[in-house]
Amino acid sequence: QVHLVESGGGMVQPGRSLRLSCAASGFTFNRYIMHWVRQAPGKGLEWVAFISYDGNRKYYADSLKGRFTISRDNSMNTLYLQLNSLRADDTALYYCATDGQGEYFFDYWGQGTLVTVSS
Amino acid sequence: SFDLTQPLSVSVALGQTARITCGGSNIGGKNVHWYQQKPGQAPVLVIYRDSDRPSGIPERFSGSNSRNTATLTISRAQVGDEADYYCQVWDSSTAVFGGGTKLTVL
Repeated sequence: QVHLVESGGGMVQPGRSLRLSCAASGFTFNRYIMHWVRQAPGKGLEWVAFISYDGNRKYYADSLKGRFTISRDNSMNTLYLQLNSLRADDTALYYCATDGQGEYFFDYWGQGTLVTVSS
Repeated sequence: SFDLTQPLSVSVALGQTARITCGGSNIGGKNVHWYQQKPGQAPVLVIYRDSDRPSGIPERFSGSNSRNTATLTISRAQVGDEADYYCQVWDSSTAVFGGGTKLTVL
């Protein structure tokens, strides 16, 4: 069965960087579009980024203003999210999710990794 | 950007039907997807493409979408259905979520 495990979260100071990982198993990773979605404490869901099967297409939420970069290593079945110039309002639980049938919904989710940005 | 509007909260009596709406300009022309999120858990897809149900989701969950409103309907509501529910669409190469609705089963 599909299994997604995020890692790399933690507490970081404003302005610093962090790289999140999402280890995938139980499905053919290189055939799936992948996404990152985040959720600030006590708030709703916010989509962060999309990456195509082969990594050639990437889309981002406008609010990120180029600070985040999504990537993938299909040989390692791993999805990444590079977070730069972190701000307090980036504090959130970051989920990776598979795209359903290439139709831009999220059918499987990991349990998330928490990023806390604080001085 | 495309805006989705959900009521903050919906209450339903045990065993009755709950309806959660998701409003957006001409949303009827888009595919709407719904997620259930219980406290401390990751979201779960309950409806995709307006009205399709993933395997393992009870038939009590159904969806519709027309003109400016999509609706998630939960029949014979159970205590276990208490959760936050989010609608979502894909628009202009971005995913958009509604603000979420807290469902309370009385």
